Amino acid sequence: GQNIDQPTEMTATEGAIVQINCTYQTSGFNGLFWYQQHAGEAPTFLSYNVLDGLEEKGRFSSFLSRSKGYSYLLLKELQMKDSASYLCAVRLSGNTPLVFGKGTRLSVIA
Amino acid sequence: ETGVTQTPRHLVMGMTNKKSLKCEQHLGHNAMYWYKQSAKKPLELMFVYNFKEQTENNSVPSRFSPECPNSSHLFLHLHTLQPEDSALYLCASSRTVDNEKLFFGSGTQLSVL
Repeated sequence: GQNIDQPTEMTATEGAIVQINCTYQTSGFNGLFWYQQHAGEAPTFLSYNVLDGLEEKGRFSSFLSRSKGYSYLLLKELQMKDSASYLCAVRLSGNTPLVFGKGTRLSVIA
Repeated sequence: ETGVTQTPRHLVMGMTNKKSLKCEQHLGHNAMYWYKQSAKKPLELMFVYNFKEQTENNSVPSRFSPECPNSSHLFLHLHTLQPEDSALYLCASSRTVDNEKLFFGSGTQLSVL
């Protein structure tokens, strides 16, 4: 079976930096995705990593290590609006749908 | 606004009712998906349609019946559901099945009494 692990919940302070980890053990790998989902809203695409290394996009960065089966999403200068669930998802091969983790619920407090 | 619209946003139904969920995308995508999202569980893929043809049925009970009349519209017909089917049902689309970026609708929150 496919296994994707993320922490269930995290809390961080406004203005701080938080790192949300995702580890995966899957039968194939063709890319890793991060989505953000605010309560009652649609998940929205944040990032996509297929090669090792760090991809930076404004306050958000995503890192991938394929050899370790590990990724993280780094959020800097946290804002209250960053309170949401963050979903890690793996594509197993070129034309298969994504396999999602359970998501990490991030609460940003003042 | 993601370009994917789902209706209704909320639905309460009894176990003997028949209802349908509707999804429409305005993005010109060719692949559409139904996902189930339950509390404390990963998003579960239910069905995939590629160019109107069903390419994946993830062992979903027959009380869920999908329909894809064209690449822009997707339905999920519900019949004799169980209370454990209560969940958020999300529709998504992508340019093609092997395209990496999914666009999700806001979902239908379903409660089965």
